[in-house]
Amino acid sequence: DAGVTQSPTHLIKTRGQHVTLRCSPISGHKSVSWYQQVLGQGPQFIFQYYEKEERGRGNFPDRFSARQFPNYSSELNVNALLLGDSALYLCASSFWGYTEAFFGQGTRLTVV
Amino acid sequence: AQSVTQLDSQVPVFEEAPVELRCNYSSSVSVYLFWYVQYPNQGLQLLLKYLSGSTLVKGINGFEAEFNKSQTSFHLRKPSVHISDTAEYFCAVSEKAGGSNYKLTFGKGTLLTVNP
Repeated sequence: DAGVTQSPTHLIKTRGQHVTLRCSPISGHKSVSWYQQVLGQGPQFIFQYYEKEERGRGNFPDRFSARQFPNYSSELNVNALLLGDSALYLCASSFWGYTEAFFGQGTRLTVV
Repeated sequence: AQSVTQLDSQVPVFEEAPVELRCNYSSSVSVYLFWYVQYPNQGLQLLLKYLSGSTLVKGINGFEAEFNKSQTSFHLRKPSVHISDTAEYFCAVSEKAGGSNYKLTFGKGTLLTVNP
């Protein structure tokens, strides 16, 4: 069975640009969460989506947004990129109401 | 809000030695605790979890952890480590993020380096 898949694996963007990251959950999982992991730190919660609705949001600016599609895949969008947005972005999927989450390999974003 | 403290940022050990990675969390009514491992340039892999029941939890790759409610700790142990255990280890606590969903709060991680 396929795990959580994320694309792209790496990308480099310039300050001020916009980026879209994609995530496909494990088959049967309807909840998708996004986390940001800055180098040397633990992951931090950004968003959680279920049934195409935002169900939770972490302490991130409005430049960060996300959405979930009818097939439960998800996109994370970041506008007006800052150098500090450079991080590994992790997507996790789970059954709704379950505590256990399964993570993808992440997308390494570098902002220059 | 929950918080997690991993007391050691780096733990160097020799191969076949025992290891303990320490984790403390802020107290709450219901606690669900996890340990994840992250190999270089990889995502997070679940090692083990405590949801309820026995306080001694066994996970993959020979790791185990003990939930101690009075000390609000969830330390990870392995009796004999291998070179391949070299990785970053994250302790996490799960809390309600709204309604029936949960979000994870992670510690800053402990880099375990196993030397020959």
